[in-house]
Amino acid sequence: DVKVTQSSRYLVKRTGEKVFLECVQDMDHENMFWYRQDPGLGLRLIYFSYDVKMKEKGDIPEGYSVSREKKERFSLILESASTNQTSMYLCASSSGAGELFFGEGSRLTVL
Amino acid sequence: AQRVTQPEKLLSVFKGAPVELKCNYSYSGSPELFWYVQYSRQRLQLLLRHISRESIKGFTADLNKGETSFHLKKPFAQEEDSAMYYCALRPGSARQLTFGSGTQLTVLP
Repeated sequence: DVKVTQSSRYLVKRTGEKVFLECVQDMDHENMFWYRQDPGLGLRLIYFSYDVKMKEKGDIPEGYSVSREKKERFSLILESASTNQTSMYLCASSSGAGELFFGEGSRLTVL
Repeated sequence: AQRVTQPEKLLSVFKGAPVELKCNYSYSGSPELFWYVQYSRQRLQLLLRHISRESIKGFTADLNKGETSFHLKKPFAQEEDSAMYYCALRPGSARQLTFGSGTQLTVLP
C-alpha cells in the first residue's frame, strides 16, 4: 500500500518567515508533486519532480521553491511566506504515467 | 494549454436518485481523463480513469471526444457518496495532472 506522508498537518507562520513542507513516499516512485488546494479553485500544480535533483515548474511556482535530494523526499519551500499563501498543500507521487497517490495534506496559515 | 472545467461547485441529490457530475475539458491532443474523490477527513484518491472503462462504487464515466466531456454518473446515489469530486486530465505523455475546481456532492437522506 503506497504511503505518502506529509510531515506537518497544521502550521501557523508569520508573514516573512521561511516555511518548509516535507513529503516522503515509500514506493520508490520517480515522480513527486506539490499542489495547493483552495475552495473554488481546485488543485493547482506548484512544482513537480521526475527524478532526484530534477524539478519542473507547474502552473503557480511564484513564491515557492522545491528540493529533491533523495528519491523518496520532496520538500516545498516558501522563502518568505505571505498571507496569500495560506492554503492546503497536497503532496503526491506516481510511477510513470500511473495513478497519483496523495498525502493527507498540510494546512498552512500565514498571519 | 489544457483546461478542465467543472461547472457545478455544489450538487445535492436525494438518496436513490441519479447523479451526474459534469466535466468538460479543452486540449488539442489525446488526453487521459480521471475522476478523483476526497471523502471527509480522508486523502484524495483515484476513483476511476477512462482507459480502464470500469465501474467503481457504481460510478461510470465515458469520454466523449466530440463534446470534450467526461461526466461522472451513478444511477442510484448513496449517502456515502457525499464527497468532493475532482475531474483531472493528463495531456499526452505528461506526468502531471491538471485538475478542475471540484464539485461538492451531498446526498440527502
